[in-house]
Amino acid sequence: DILLTQTPLSLSVTPGQPASVSCKSSQSLLHSDGKTSLYWYLQKPGQSPQLLIYEASNRFSGVSQRFSGSGSGTDFTLKISRVEGDDVGVYYCMQNLQGHTFGQGTKLEI
Amino acid sequence: QVQLVESGGNVVRPGGALRLSCSTSGFIFRDYYMSWVRQAPGKGLEWISSINDRGKKKDYADSVKGRFTISRDDAKNSLHLQMNGLTAEDTALYYCARGVAMDQWGQGTRVIVSS
Repeated sequence: DILLTQTPLSLSVTPGQPASVSCKSSQSLLHSDGKTSLYWYLQKPGQSPQLLIYEASNRFSGVSQRFSGSGSGTDFTLKISRVEGDDVGVYYCMQNLQGHTFGQGTKLEI
Repeated sequence: QVQLVESGGNVVRPGGALRLSCSTSGFIFRDYYMSWVRQAPGKGLEWISSINDRGKKKDYADSVKGRFTISRDDAKNSLHLQMNGLTAEDTALYYCARGVAMDQWGQGTRVIVSS
């Protein structure tokens, strides 16, 4: 089974400052088709999760350009260039190369 | 617009059964891979099952394998999850999600397993 480890588990950020979440996989997430099977979601308080980034670095439709995803193989990062109040919530990475696994989540507070 | 609406959640005794449904609209349901994801109270997200766009391939998390069955009705644009042998550890909010990327989610339906 593929394990995803997120760090940190909580993050307190001043509005306007950057933030970064790491997601490390126990195995490479590179698919045979050349794509990377790593996704990022945000679950705002009281809401369902929403997709931010797909295939490691592609911003989903309607997602702010302040969000970016990077990484390859086993190491991935979600970056928020300038945190805003609406960014609070829990951020999850997810892999679907073998089954599906979510990271533990990173709670972002302001 | 795309909508996913879960239903069927309830309070059930240990050992009992429930059937969850996810009614969809706003997209061509038969073309999409679909999943169920749950979230226990105060906990993170846990994938539990997925079904491909033809319904031929079904995958399950080890925690539910042999107890839960995923299915789809393309004529009714709906996804289902038959849950048998429920235990307290199955208490959670159950979401359906669209596509390999899980790009759209419902609002969830709550399952409480308690005596």
